[in-house]
Amino acid sequence: DAGVIQSPRHEVTEMGQEVTLRCKPISGHDYLFWYRQTMMRGLELLIYFNNNVPIDDSGMPEDRFSAKMPNASFSTLKIQPSEPRDSAVYFCASSPPRGNEQFFGPGTRLTVL
Amino acid sequence: AQSVTQLGSHVSVSEGALVLLRCNYSSSVPPYLFWYVQYPNQGLQLLLKYTSAATLVKGINGFEAEFKKSETSFHLTKPSAHMSDAAEYFCAVTTRVGKLIFGQGTELSVKP
Repeated sequence: DAGVIQSPRHEVTEMGQEVTLRCKPISGHDYLFWYRQTMMRGLELLIYFNNNVPIDDSGMPEDRFSAKMPNASFSTLKIQPSEPRDSAVYFCASSPPRGNEQFFGPGTRLTVL
Repeated sequence: AQSVTQLGSHVSVSEGALVLLRCNYSSSVPPYLFWYVQYPNQGLQLLLKYTSAATLVKGINGFEAEFKKSETSFHLTKPSAHMSDAAEYFCAVTTRVGKLIFGQGTELSVKP
């Protein structure tokens, strides 16, 4: 079975540009999570969805960040406009119904110049 | 509210030595506990999980952890370290399906 798929794996952009990160969860999973990892702040939960509905977005740092899940097999995390302090590794993870464990994707390394 | 504290941001052991990574949790209700491993430039991979069955949990790659309610601990151990164990390890807690609370991580170095 394919795991969680994220694209792109690396993204380099300039300050002020829009960035879109993509995630395909494991088929049949009904929870989807977006995390950000930095040296300074560690692993932070940004937002999570259940059955395509956002449940908790309290970790989204500011209005420049938005996330959508239009269907069970696809989610996006958008940053507009991007800033150098957004540079981090962004992970997507998914969980099965009634399951606690999360399965992580390989991450997207974002660099904002 | 739940929380997790990992004692020691960096642990160094010699190859063949015991590995002990410490995790203490706080939870007002019985928790579910997890250890994840992250190798360089990769995502997090589940090592093992405690879900209120046996208190001694065995995971992949020879790791195990023991749930001690009286000490609110869930320490990760491995009898003999291997070079390939060098990675960052995260402890996590939840009390329901959904959100996990992660610790700050412990980087394990293994010396030859």
